[in-house]
Amino acid sequence: DAMVIQNPRYQVTQFGKPVTLSCSQTLNHNVMYWYQQKSSQAPKLLFHYYDKDFNNEADTPDNFQSRRPNTSFCFLDIRSPGLGDAAMYLCATSRGVNNEKLFFGSGTQLSVL
Amino acid sequence: GQQVMQIPQYQHVQEGEDFTTYCNSSTTLSNIQWYKQRPGGHPVFLIQLVKSGEVKKQKRLTFQFGEAKKNSSLHITATQTTDVGTYFCAGHAGGSYIPTFGRGTSLIVHP
Repeated sequence: DAMVIQNPRYQVTQFGKPVTLSCSQTLNHNVMYWYQQKSSQAPKLLFHYYDKDFNNEADTPDNFQSRRPNTSFCFLDIRSPGLGDAAMYLCATSRGVNNEKLFFGSGTQLSVL
Repeated sequence: GQQVMQIPQYQHVQEGEDFTTYCNSSTTLSNIQWYKQRPGGHPVFLIQLVKSGEVKKQKRLTFQFGEAKKNSSLHITATQTTDVGTYFCAGHAGGSYIPTFGRGTSLIVHP
């Protein structure tokens, strides 16, 4: 089945140790998003790519970076994770035209020790 | 910027009771989407409403889009334990393809 795949499902890192989360999609969608979701809160958009065009949300910390080497893959790099960065990170895709629905991956639960 | 408010934040019901969550936008929306997130899971798309005053049904779920396209509601009739989860609305405003999510309503169903 076509889908959005995130690896790993759980990630543990140490305070200040860089970590990379990955997302791949077989939907051939134009847009890929990274959301941060903390307990009992709505998903918070960090940034998104429309094709190769990177779009950063104004309040996304510089500590968060992203790469999209091709249509299928997108990475979230956290350069120096802090305790406050512990959260669920959700990757999503959409075709990007006509307000299409989002397809979410299963998420990566990040713990920072 | 656009804001989407959603109430209530939590709702406890006895199995068999009805449930409603409400979504209000500060701006006129081109459409409204609803997602369900099960505990420990990820948001899953339920439905999209586009037309003013539109009403759609999915079994026990009824979705409405207001006449002014600034509010929406999700009503569940006779809740079941399988309905447990957080329901998010997400609206598109203007020409943006980026949806703005509401805070979500967590439904807890007591057997």
